[in-house]
Amino acid sequence: QSALTQPPSASGSPGQSVTISCSGTSSDFGAYNYVSWYQQHPGNAPKLMIYEVKKRPSGVPDRFSGSKSGNTASLTVSGLQAEDEADYYCNSYAGGNSYVFGTGTRVTVL
Amino acid sequence: EVQLVESGGGLVQPGRSLRLSCAAWGFTFNDYAMHWVRQAPGKGLEWVSGISWDSSDIIYADSVKGRFTISRDNANSFLYLQMNSLRVEDTALYYCTKRNSGRHFDPWGQGTLVTVSS
Repeated sequence: QSALTQPPSASGSPGQSVTISCSGTSSDFGAYNYVSWYQQHPGNAPKLMIYEVKKRPSGVPDRFSGSKSGNTASLTVSGLQAEDEADYYCNSYAGGNSYVFGTGTRVTVL
Repeated sequence: EVQLVESGGGLVQPGRSLRLSCAAWGFTFNDYAMHWVRQAPGKGLEWVSGISWDSSDIIYADSVKGRFTISRDNANSFLYLQMNSLRVEDTALYYCTKRNSGRHFDPWGQGTLVTVSS
């Protein structure tokens, strides 16, 4: 199973928006809407930010939003803040109880 | 509060074995599937293995199939990963995580570091 493709980096100034893409094949995403996104600050464990394509866990700011079209999922961070600077990974349920992560995107707040 | 704490990592020579453990608190352990995810130094996340709540359904990434065995002890709320025939490329921080109904992973433990080197 190959990793989902994400851009290595993305950046924006405070207050701006940044969108991260996550591309795969139809077998990666299947007929499911089980795409999740994780934020990871250096030295920390990943933290769930979005699940089932666009749902936000409690405590995650509504500046974070998710979407999916065809075989590409996206995470948008609006109103960028300094604490949003981190690595972000997408994940998809690929059927048969297997999962695949994206290659990861480092978001820099300029 | 839901907590996952991994242990058992360390330095091991190629070809040797290691057993990782994950202790779980704060939720009904036997209601949930559990998974292992690893992260090589400076690299991205890689899904490793998962086990259903009753151990009836187990799956592995191709990279570890035939060498790693996942198991669980529901009575004591523990998840395990037996790693045999370790390779240099298995060097990574290994995370234990709870799989929720929406097929997402939350929360994650702090990880345990496995270093395979001669």
